[in-house]
Amino acid sequence: DAGVIQSPRHEVTEMGQEVTLRCKPISGHNSLFWYRQTMMRGLELLIYFNNNVPIDDSGMPEDRFSAKMPNASFSTLKIQPSEPRDSAVYFCASTPRLGAQETQYFGPGTRLLVL
Amino acid sequence: AQSVTQPDIHITVSEGASLELRCNYSYGATPYLFWYVQSPGQGLQLLLKYFSGDTLVQGIKGFEAEFKRSQSSFNLRKPSVHWSDAAEYFCAVGDGGYNKLIFGAGTRLAVHP
Repeated sequence: DAGVIQSPRHEVTEMGQEVTLRCKPISGHNSLFWYRQTMMRGLELLIYFNNNVPIDDSGMPEDRFSAKMPNASFSTLKIQPSEPRDSAVYFCASTPRLGAQETQYFGPGTRLLVL
Repeated sequence: AQSVTQPDIHITVSEGASLELRCNYSYGATPYLFWYVQSPGQGLQLLLKYFSGDTLVQGIKGFEAEFKRSQSSFNLRKPSVHWSDAAEYFCAVGDGGYNKLIFGAGTRLAVHP
């Protein structure tokens, strides 16, 4: 059974470029979460969706960040324009349904480096 | 506000030794508590979770954790550590009001042969 799939696994870009990260949740999972992990700030929740609808985007750092979930099997996180301080590992996670008791299943992450 | 504290940033143990990783939480109601493990270059994987009932919960890979309400703690233990346990360990509390997890800063475990 396939887990959460993220692409690309690694991304190197230059400051000012647009970056798009992709996530495919586990089939049948209705909730999807985007996290950012850095040494300084640890694991931060950026945004989460339920049934393709954004529920809480209070963790999105600024307007340069946007996320969409056009259907149940695909989500994107876009950074435009990118800055060096956006360098981090970005994780996507999914759960069968929304709820604080649900186990989150994490993808392998996308390691982003902005030069 | 809800929070999770993992007091130990780094811990080093010898292979075969016992292990205890500390976790303290701040949450008004009965918490949903989790321990996740992250191996180098990987995503997080659930080790175990506590919702209610028996305060000693068993997880995968020989780990267990004990919920102590009086101490607001949920410490992770393993009787005998293996070299493959070297990883980063995250404690988390489920925020029922917002349907999301609040993670601690993590504890990085190194295992000496």
